[in-house]
Amino acid sequence: KQEVTQIPAALSVPEGENLVLNCSFTDSAIYNLQWFRQDPGKGLTSLLLIQSSQREQTSGRLNASLDKSSGRSTLYIAASQPGDSATYLCAADNYGQNFVFGPGTRLSVLP
Amino acid sequence: GAGVSQSPRYKVAKRGQDVALRCDPISGHVSLFWYQQALGQGPEFLTYFQNEAQLDKSGLPSDRFFAERPEGSVSTLKIQRTQQEDSAVYLCASSLGRASGYTGELFFGEGSRLTVL
Repeated sequence: KQEVTQIPAALSVPEGENLVLNCSFTDSAIYNLQWFRQDPGKGLTSLLLIQSSQREQTSGRLNASLDKSSGRSTLYIAASQPGDSATYLCAADNYGQNFVFGPGTRLSVLP
Repeated sequence: GAGVSQSPRYKVAKRGQDVALRCDPISGHVSLFWYQQALGQGPEFLTYFQNEAQLDKSGLPSDRFFAERPEGSVSTLKIQRTQQEDSAVYLCASSLGRASGYTGELFFGEGSRLTVL
């Protein structure tokens, strides 16, 4: 059974810092891995999707990498801004059809 | 529609009442998922549809939970005889699926927050 963990559980940084969020999964037989952002009281917004054949994806200040063999993905946020404050979740898309989510990393970027 | 639409956004039910939560996925999306999210936790899988077929319902916590998607578009999650532990946000997501080169990217609705008193 796929299990997804995220480290750290919470992170508080001053504005302008670069930061890395970590996601680990136990079953490397994934179809893709997706990163989401969730603001309080809201649904999930897709940030980046990395297919199993890819190593990384970039969108603006965000870069996500995937290492299937080690069961890890990282989300790199450059030059963080207060508007980046949210919970970040990763989800592993398994060939067994469903997506398994991690518990999330709660990020606070202080002005 | 432009995005995944869920209704109601908020539902308060007395213990023992039945509730129905609706999900209207993005037009043309084959796959539809229901998730349950407790406060401060990641979403937990409930069930998955491909068109009208319910391919996986392994995450439904009890036989009080029932989901359907009769015409392969709109889906309804029904909870019978609600209990306090059913209080959570219920999230619906849809995707084009993985066939024919699609990536399977998930798109979520805003969720339905259920409070059982």
